[in-house]
Amino acid sequence: DIQMTQSPSTLSASVGDRVTITCRASQSISRWLAWYQQKPGKAPKLLIHTASSLESGVPSRFSGSASGTEFTLTISSLQPDDFATYYCQRYNHYPLTFGGGTKVEI
Amino acid sequence: EVQLVESGGGLVQPGGSLRLSCAASGFTFSGYWMNWVRQAPGKGLEWVANIKQDGSDKHYVDSVEGRFTISRDNAKNSLYLQMNSLTAEDTAIYYCARGNPYHSDYWGQGTLVTVSS
Repeated sequence: DIQMTQSPSTLSASVGDRVTITCRASQSISRWLAWYQQKPGKAPKLLIHTASSLESGVPSRFSGSASGTEFTLTISSLQPDDFATYYCQRYNHYPLTFGGGTKVEI
Repeated sequence: EVQLVESGGGLVQPGGSLRLSCAASGFTFSGYWMNWVRQAPGKGLEWVANIKQDGSDKHYVDSVEGRFTISRDNAKNSLYLQMNSLTAEDTAIYYCARGNPYHSDYWGQGTLVTVSS
């Protein structure tokens, strides 16, 4: 199976910071990658699909990019509502693997 | 408005069975793949299974293959997960999620399954 290595596992940041989270695939997955946000006690929410396509209604401060097998989620200016855990997921073939998650905290 | 409402979770003994349901509304259910994703307490997300629009194609994560069965009833706008031979490692919140077609664009709030004696 293709593994997804997400880093860092925890990230301490402040409001207004530029935040970058990385997911690295163990082999090529083309651009078949999504990013989700999850807040405590809530279901995940889709932010980005196909590596860089922003889901409707998601603020433009969120962006995704890809370079080979490395994928990046960037929050350009962290807002109070953005403190959460973020997951990547590849969906090029089965099983549809999630990364281990990145908790963004103050 | 897209809504997904899971039910059927609860406490079950090891080796037991449980059937989860997911009631869908606000979209044409028969037009979408559907997923089950789970999250063990304090852990990350794990994709469990998905099913094609007409039920003709199904996929599972290795750890549940042969024990879990995903199914759907498009007439009832409902998704199901039959879980057999449950172990403590199956303890998790189980989410129903709409596939578009393979990433999940809408999620339910989840139902908790606890496997314990």
